[in-house]
Amino acid sequence: GAGVSQSPSNKVTEKGKDVELRCDPISGHTALYWYRQSLGQGLEFLIYFQGNSAPDKSGLPSDRFSAERTGGSVSTLTIQRTQQEDSAVYLCASSLGRRGNTIYFGEGSWLTVV
Amino acid sequence: GDSVTQMEGPVTLSEEAFLTINCTYTATGYPSLFWYVQYPGEGLQLLLKATKADDKGSNKGFEATYRKETTSFHLEKGSVQVSDSAVYFCALTTGGSQGNLIFGKGTKLSVKP
Repeated sequence: GAGVSQSPSNKVTEKGKDVELRCDPISGHTALYWYRQSLGQGLEFLIYFQGNSAPDKSGLPSDRFSAERTGGSVSTLTIQRTQQEDSAVYLCASSLGRRGNTIYFGEGSWLTVV
Repeated sequence: GDSVTQMEGPVTLSEEAFLTINCTYTATGYPSLFWYVQYPGEGLQLLLKATKADDKGSNKGFEATYRKETTSFHLEKGSVQVSDSAVYFCALTTGGSQGNLIFGKGTKLSVKP
């Protein structure tokens, strides 16, 4: 499709398990972002990839969170040893990476840790 | 650091009322400013944007003007509809490259018929 694609759309996992969330950005977009939106909260920045530059990981909340982007396209956000407070919608976004360019969001992956 | 502050909601209006949602920012450099909207059960969508001072972004009857002197980007609409009920997020990016998109906490708008 033409938009940002995320999978799975919904994931229920047991506390302590690892989860992987996938993002397919819009073709040709060099910038890719991950955000987290908790119930009733705003959007929390997690990590940002821009081309071949080192990613900006300043928003990752703990070392249980990591993300990679292979070949400058698809990205995977991994949460190890999930906790209940990790329950949230994880949003991926992409853009052409230049100042002022529109950033397009995917539908999100809803994670529930039980 | 860079930040965005927007008025807390929820905001409840009657149909055809005038809407203002205030947004102010703190940023180094020259930010680009955005309003995103999240309709119930849907993902985030760009509503409008402005990339330099005095620019006015507009879409679907909504407007916002980039005011550098007051560091503001208030969202306005002259006559709201029930279908405008959503959560509205003000956001900015700074720097020569895109950098990350920094959001305000969001303002929930409910429009009653």
